[in-house]
Amino acid sequence: DVKVTQSSRYLVKRTGEKVFLECVQDMDHENMFWYRQDPGLGLRLIYFSYDVKMKEKGDIPEGYSVSREKKERFSLILESASTNQTSMYLCASSAFTARDTEAFFGQGTRLTVV
Amino acid sequence: QKEVEQNSGPLSVPEGAIASLNCTYSDRGSQSFFWYRQYSGKSPELIMFIYSNGDKEDGRFTAQLNKASQYVSLLIRDSQPSDSATYLCAVNRRSGYNKLIFGAGTRLAVHP
Repeated sequence: DVKVTQSSRYLVKRTGEKVFLECVQDMDHENMFWYRQDPGLGLRLIYFSYDVKMKEKGDIPEGYSVSREKKERFSLILESASTNQTSMYLCASSAFTARDTEAFFGQGTRLTVV
Repeated sequence: QKEVEQNSGPLSVPEGAIASLNCTYSDRGSQSFFWYRQYSGKSPELIMFIYSNGDKEDGRFTAQLNKASQYVSLLIRDSQPSDSATYLCAVNRRSGYNKLIFGAGTRLAVHP
């Protein structure tokens, strides 16, 4: 059974804190993604990675950074958390194939910044 | 212009009817198109994908792709209350590395 696991289901942090969201997949997938999901806006891509130590910005990278030191792990870092980063964060992974790149999602982390 | 656009809904259909969900995309270089279903409080899960013009059927679901019009749709036949969810259209941008971009989703409500 495929599995993408996010380290926390719920998280409450204070403004200005450095926040780490961790994601681990056990499918040996090349691609990993971080999205945030807000009502009415759908899933917006923050960053994705196609290989160890490789990363590319998505559509909303400002205020975030990522780290991929091992193939199975992809971390999202909020350098200095702000209230407008309160959101649901979803990690996903997919294989590097030609067309049918199904993405498998973690259970999500609901982050509240106060 | 958003890269992937969907009507947010809600789309309300009676049980047993056909639900039609639509999606347009702006990047003509897009290669593959996906429909995900997301129940409230859950993560998205794949229903089906399509990459050739025309129709693709899988049980009660049919995906339709028209690359000339940059349009992809999902038909759900014999809609059931259990189909009530948000349906997300996603596009594989393929600008180098399988960058999956989602629309905002259409909320479907199937009423008995």
